[in-house]
Amino acid sequence: GDSVTQMEGPVTLSEEAFLTINCTYTATGYPSLFWYVQYPGEGLQLLLKATKADDKGSNKGFEATYRKETTSFHLEKGSVQVSDSAVYFCALSDLANFNKFYFGSGTKLNVKP
Amino acid sequence: DTGVSQNPRHKITKRGQNVTFRCDPISEHNRLYWYRQTLGQGPEFLTYFQNEAQLEKSRLLSDRFSAERPKGSFSTLEIQRTEQGDSAMYLCASPWDGSPPNEQFFGPGTRLTVL
Repeated sequence: GDSVTQMEGPVTLSEEAFLTINCTYTATGYPSLFWYVQYPGEGLQLLLKATKADDKGSNKGFEATYRKETTSFHLEKGSVQVSDSAVYFCALSDLANFNKFYFGSGTKLNVKP
Repeated sequence: DTGVSQNPRHKITKRGQNVTFRCDPISEHNRLYWYRQTLGQGPEFLTYFQNEAQLEKSRLLSDRFSAERPKGSFSTLEIQRTEQGDSAMYLCASPWDGSPPNEQFFGPGTRLTVL
């Protein structure tokens, strides 16, 4: 079945550091891949997405590239800010499975000034 | 604001009581999903509606759980005879009219605490 595995946290970085959060997936079909972010006390927000192999999703300085050969969708940001502190979830959906989402367990990011 | 509202936002109940949650997606898209998120975990799929029809239910959805979408707009999720293990955040999600079919926008959730 479909599943998502992402690196465990928490990840603690200083402001302006480089961020990578690893995400790998298993899927039987041709999934779309997503990163969602959950800020403290708030709901899930779509951060970026990619719908096919080699697509790059980007938003707010974050990027992730859909790598079919390595079944990965790692999240990166060149210079994090304190305001990026949140929990990040990698997810996939597949039209063959009613587009329901499979989420990773989340990675908490703490950015210190 | 994702355009999906959920009520109540918080619910505290005693074990054995019944609870009902409501989800109102603004766009009344034909697809609507329910997920459950426990502490420290990602959301897990519970059930899916296309219009009024409940097309898929997760094995997580025991016979104490029932979901409806009577007019293809709002949806309700009821838990009967609640147990402490039901304590979680219950999330509703739906696409927006005009958004790609694989995108889902999540409501703020209903946090259930079973004492």
